[in-house]
Amino acid sequence: RKEVEQDPGPFNVPEGATVAFNCTYSNSASQSFFWYRQDCRKEPKLLMSVYSSGNEDGRFTAQLNRASQYISLLIRDSKLSDSATYLCVVNKPGGYNKLIFGAGTRLAVHP
Amino acid sequence: DTGVSQDPRHKITKRGQNVTFRCDPISEHNRLYWYRQTLGQGPEFLTYFQNEAQLEKSRLLSDRFSAERPKGSFSTLEIQRTEQGDSAMYLCASSLAPENEKLFFGSGTQLSVL
Repeated sequence: RKEVEQDPGPFNVPEGATVAFNCTYSNSASQSFFWYRQDCRKEPKLLMSVYSSGNEDGRFTAQLNRASQYISLLIRDSKLSDSATYLCVVNKPGGYNKLIFGAGTRLAVHP
Repeated sequence: DTGVSQDPRHKITKRGQNVTFRCDPISEHNRLYWYRQTLGQGPEFLTYFQNEAQLEKSRLLSDRFSAERPKGSFSTLEIQRTEQGDSAMYLCASSLAPENEKLFFGSGTQLSVL
């Protein structure tokens, strides 16, 4: 089983749609969770951290369910500029912050 | 530009040749990571430095791969006797620990082995 699993997509949605991405992780001892965004042929960039209580940043909402080892990202009112690959990232418990990346979910927003 | 910089951006080499990539992290960052990414996959961890000490190497790194971070500043990743399977994007990232877990990535070096 992969340490971090995501639906690869692609998700093709019209502008203004709401889209949700799911992610599961295998190590129940993981403590830090993130969503990174990666544009085509660019480096990954941190989109948002994911907290136990859930958190929101504008149109983006992240949720964490530790019991199910499940993370989600909700994007409301999709924009063309949201088209990218969204990477679910989980830390591997240990002495330092080793991050394990999922394969990513590709989002394409069309007019 | 005070971000993470990587050099070169692109490298094309013939199978069997040696290649070396350089990463300059954000100056005050003490942690440096190398990742490898192939098409359709997320970045895979290769190795990690805390200052100048290399504290972990992935099993993905065969004997042909070596990384250094002399003086705890820039880092180099060398691949000897390259193989076609080494073709990938090599990403460097840095962070300031333990204050901030956020990784800052460089633009990567795209390696093509012919």
